[in-house]
Amino acid sequence: EIVLTQSPATLSLSPGERATLSCRASQSVSSYLAWYQQKPGQAPRLLIYDASNRATGIPARFSGSGSGTDFTLTISSLEPEDFAVYYCQQRSNWPQIFTFGPGTKVDIK
Amino acid sequence: EVQLVESGGGLVQPGGSLRLSCAASGFTFSSYAMSWVRQAPGKGLEWVSAISGSGGSTYYADSVKGRFTISRDNSKNTLYLQMNSLRAEDTAVYYCAKSLGGVIVNDYFDYWGQGTLVTVSS
Repeated sequence: EIVLTQSPATLSLSPGERATLSCRASQSVSSYLAWYQQKPGQAPRLLIYDASNRATGIPARFSGSGSGTDFTLTISSLEPEDFAVYYCQQRSNWPQIFTFGPGTKVDIK
Repeated sequence: EVQLVESGGGLVQPGGSLRLSCAASGFTFSSYAMSWVRQAPGKGLEWVSAISGSGGSTYYADSVKGRFTISRDNSKNTLYLQMNSLRAEDTAVYYCAKSLGGVIVNDYFDYWGQGTLVTVSS
């Protein structure tokens, strides 16, 4: 089973600052990695798929990069609505399982 | 507009059963694989089960294999999750989720329902 590790667990930043979130896989997932945003009481929302492709309607301030085992989600300038929990997900290790990372909480400093 | 609406959650005793439903609209339901993903209170996301667009292929997480059954009725645009032999650790919000790429079961989730809470407790 592929294990995803996210760091940091919590990121405290101010609006307007740049956020850099990391996701590391225990073995290569090629580019088969997605990022989701979840706000309290809401369902997750797909932000990025295949490591670097923005999903429909996602603002350009969100970008993804990486391949193999190391991936990054960057929010270029945090808006008030961006404070949330972010999860990475891999779809490479099929048909065994999808896996999600444990999440990174981006909160207001 | 794509909409996914779950129902069927509630309080059930350990060892009991529950059937969740997910009513879909706004897209050609039979053309897309679907999944159930759960989230225990205050915890992260865990994929539970997936089903192909035709319903002919199903997949389960090890934690629910043999206890849960995923199915779909494409004539009713509805996804189901039959949950048997429920345990305390199955307590979670259960989301249905639509696959991004259509027929590909092993895919990301581009639309999610609002979730339905299942509580397993005596």
